[in-house]
Amino acid sequence: GESVGLHLPTLSVQEGDNSIINCAYSNSASDYFIWYKQESGKGPQFIIDIRSNMDKRQGQRVTVLLNKTVKHLSLQIAATQPGDSAVYFCAENKGLDSSYKLIFGSGTRLLVRP
Amino acid sequence: EAGVAQSPRYKIIEKRQSVAFWCNPISGHATLYWYQQILGQGPKLLIQFQNNGVVDDSQLPKDRFSAERLKGVDSTLKIQPAKLEDSAVYLCATAGPGQRMGGETQYFGPGTRLLVL
Repeated sequence: GESVGLHLPTLSVQEGDNSIINCAYSNSASDYFIWYKQESGKGPQFIIDIRSNMDKRQGQRVTVLLNKTVKHLSLQIAATQPGDSAVYFCAENKGLDSSYKLIFGSGTRLLVRP
Repeated sequence: EAGVAQSPRYKIIEKRQSVAFWCNPISGHATLYWYQQILGQGPKLLIQFQNNGVVDDSQLPKDRFSAERLKGVDSTLKIQPAKLEDSAVYLCATAGPGQRMGGETQYFGPGTRLLVL
């Protein structure tokens, strides 16, 4: 069936290092992908998005890479900070016409060691 | 800009009881979603509204769950009767058009944490 999944459930990094969170998707027809950050007790917060006609998109300290050949998505966080500790979800946005629907993966927990 | 508001933040009920959750979207957002997030999992879509009409409720357990969005603004999600497996966080998200890359970015509320005993 269709799914969006993550390779690693937990990632522990040293403060100041770069973090890479990976995600695999199975629906090659999806054309829009989003990374969300969810802190404890809060709803998911938008980080960055990318359309399928792009390979890379950069934001502030974050970069999303899309490899359509192997259906793989990654989120890179530069100079990881304690405030980056959270669960990160990739989501696949698909829908007919304007009925955008998000299919979420199970998430990766990022732990930042001081 | 005010975010998506949800209430209550926490609710504890016994199985077979009823419960209702409320969501107030960001002003002007026509699309509203309800998600269920079980501990350790990603959010799962229950129902999607466009204004006051249902776009997709294929994942909503209609024998016990119902939702409405009268007047196309606030929305309520109800569970009657609740089961133990309904324990989860219920997230409301809303979206406005054309904000990012041609898609509708969804903005989430803080969620309602439901525990069914």
